Amino acid sequence: DAKTTQPPSMDCAEGRAANLPCNHSTISGNEYVYWYRQIHSQGPQYIIHGLKNNETNEMASLIITEDRKSSTLILPHATLRDTAVYYCIVVYGGSQGNLIFGKGTKLSVKP
Amino acid sequence: ETGVTQTPRHLVMGMTNKKSLKCEQHLGHNAMYWYKQSAKKPLELMFVYNFKEQTENNSVPSRFSPECPNSSHLFLHLHTLQPEDSALYLCASSRLGTDAQLGYGYTFGSGTRLTVV
Repeated sequence: DAKTTQPPSMDCAEGRAANLPCNHSTISGNEYVYWYRQIHSQGPQYIIHGLKNNETNEMASLIITEDRKSSTLILPHATLRDTAVYYCIVVYGGSQGNLIFGKGTKLSVKP
Repeated sequence: ETGVTQTPRHLVMGMTNKKSLKCEQHLGHNAMYWYKQSAKKPLELMFVYNFKEQTENNSVPSRFSPECPNSSHLFLHLHTLQPEDSALYLCASSRLGTDAQLGYGYTFGSGTRLTVV
């Protein structure tokens, strides 16, 4: 599975958009980009995933660059409850490869 | 509730004890996983079960013994643990398919906080 690089921490003001970047320059054609988050001492929660098109759901939007070497998770109106560690993970899609977590980005939403 | 239930939520055990962690899912998933999360470390994948068959053991010490009697239940049997095994143990499940889009990712339980004294 391709490796990902994320900033260790980010701050965001409540009500503003939070844009979390992820680099995955070695991603291959059949690997998906998944985003999860983990609120303190809870299990990780699935947010969104995509292959090459931008995706949007009720939680967030995922923007994947045309060359697929990076992506951005967008939380359009961050709230205090969005404070969590966010993980960007590249997963082989052929047989739904295992989810391997890195260190993620600690997002702190401030009032 | 996520649909994946782990019990107990908290467990304190001595190094000579034997205990078991339980995970149960009723999401119709056919793969289950154990993860370990130690303080200030990323989640580590321990075991993978696909259709009740263990397909991966990531060099986990034998004092951790998994059991998957059916696709809905997963156990982690613990014996003669060490204090450094204290961690949050997370169970997850997913639906396998030929395309990752079929599964929509993993669903995690809330974990068991284990303290070895």
